[in-house]
Amino acid sequence: AQSVSQHNHHVILSEAASLELGCNYSYGGTVNLFWYVQYPGQHLQLLLKYFSGDPLVKGIKGFEAEFIKSKFSFNLRKPSVQWSDTAEYFCAVNAGDRDDKIIFGKGTRLHILP
Amino acid sequence: GAGVSQSPSNKVTEKGKDVELRCDPISGHTALYWYRQSLGQGLEFLIYFQGNSAPDKSGLPSDRFSAERTGGSVSTLTIQRTQQEDSAVYLCASMHRGVESYEQYFGPGTRLTVT
Repeated sequence: AQSVSQHNHHVILSEAASLELGCNYSYGGTVNLFWYVQYPGQHLQLLLKYFSGDPLVKGIKGFEAEFIKSKFSFNLRKPSVQWSDTAEYFCAVNAGDRDDKIIFGKGTRLHILP
Repeated sequence: GAGVSQSPSNKVTEKGKDVELRCDPISGHTALYWYRQSLGQGLEFLIYFQGNSAPDKSGLPSDRFSAERTGGSVSTLTIQRTQQEDSAVYLCASMHRGVESYEQYFGPGTRLTVT
């Protein structure tokens, strides 16, 4: 069964700092990968997703993620964070060659200092 | 259009009572998921339904938990004989299975407190 590991549970950065949140998955077959964000008091929403093709995926609000198959990783990046990026970020994986089950990591709480 | 809705938004119950949580997915979405969100545990997969296929119940933590989906639309998650460790936010998501639209839409959740 697939699983997801997010290394950073709580990250604190100052505005304009660069961001990288780690995500590793375990599944040997074809995967679909996602990053979701939950802003305070709001629903979870999709930031970006990878299905196939270019391993560098660009999402909303200046976020991007790179799929590195050899490392089973899908790290999220943003070159310059803003206070409004304060939220909880979740990485998720689907075993694309099997079914539509989607498993999430434990999340990373990001706090941006103004 | 309307998003995923869940009811009730908050539920406080006594230990040992049964509770039912409801999810109304987006119309036309064939896949429906239930997750449990608690502090430090992220989103814990519980169960998912896809069309008319048998649901994947592999994430249900005990036989006190069950879920059904009627008519391929509304779903109910039932927790029998609730325990304090069941306290969490229960999230429902629905999805349309297409390459461009393969994205879960989440509801606001039901916050369950077992006293």
